[in-house]
Amino acid sequence: QKEVEQDPGPLSVPEGAIVSLNCTYSNSAFQYFMWYRQYSRKGPELLMYTYSSGNKEDGRFTAQVDKSSKYISLFIRDSQPSDSATYLCAMSDTNAGKSTFGDGTTLTVKP
Amino acid sequence: SQTIHQWPATLVQPVGSPLSLECTVEGTSNPNLYWYRQAAGRGLQLLFYSVGIGQISSEVPQNLSASRPQDRQFILSSKKLLLSDSGFYLCAWSTYYGYTFGSGTRLTVV
Repeated sequence: QKEVEQDPGPLSVPEGAIVSLNCTYSNSAFQYFMWYRQYSRKGPELLMYTYSSGNKEDGRFTAQVDKSSKYISLFIRDSQPSDSATYLCAMSDTNAGKSTFGDGTTLTVKP
Repeated sequence: SQTIHQWPATLVQPVGSPLSLECTVEGTSNPNLYWYRQAAGRGLQLLFYSVGIGQISSEVPQNLSASRPQDRQFILSSKKLLLSDSGFYLCAWSTYYGYTFGSGTRLTVV
């Protein structure tokens, strides 16, 4: 069993929809949770960073962490075609340490 | 500003040939550096990481090796490439707020 499982997708939604991307994990030592966005043939870029449980909002993006359930989510409101990309969850047990990644969910937002 | 450079962007190599991919970081000192590989449509597999000059940890036994000859330089090498080495190779450094990735090298072994 993988340490990090990510909903595989792919997801296809109409423009303006709310998108929910999800990951579960098994390692209770994970404390730092990240979401990365990766456009085709590019390196991933950090989208959201969260420490421990709770919510974090940045514009149209909201990251949620539920450590009791070992479950994290990324919500995208008012999705745009420019949000079409692969989204990777990642987590780590140490700050600035190595991360374990999910396999990614590919999102397509149709105009 | 902090930047990470990775090259080449694309590489096509025959089976059995050597490999050298280079990554350099600017604007930071003593970074933790990583090499990841991403197969098509898959997540990131950690290959090597380094916390300092000459300090390399290997995550997956394979025919690849890594070296860190300078504080901000990280090199991925192979003496003889296999078909299974094809993939998208990413260099990254970790900060307190996650990773910064390079632009990647797409390697095709033919």
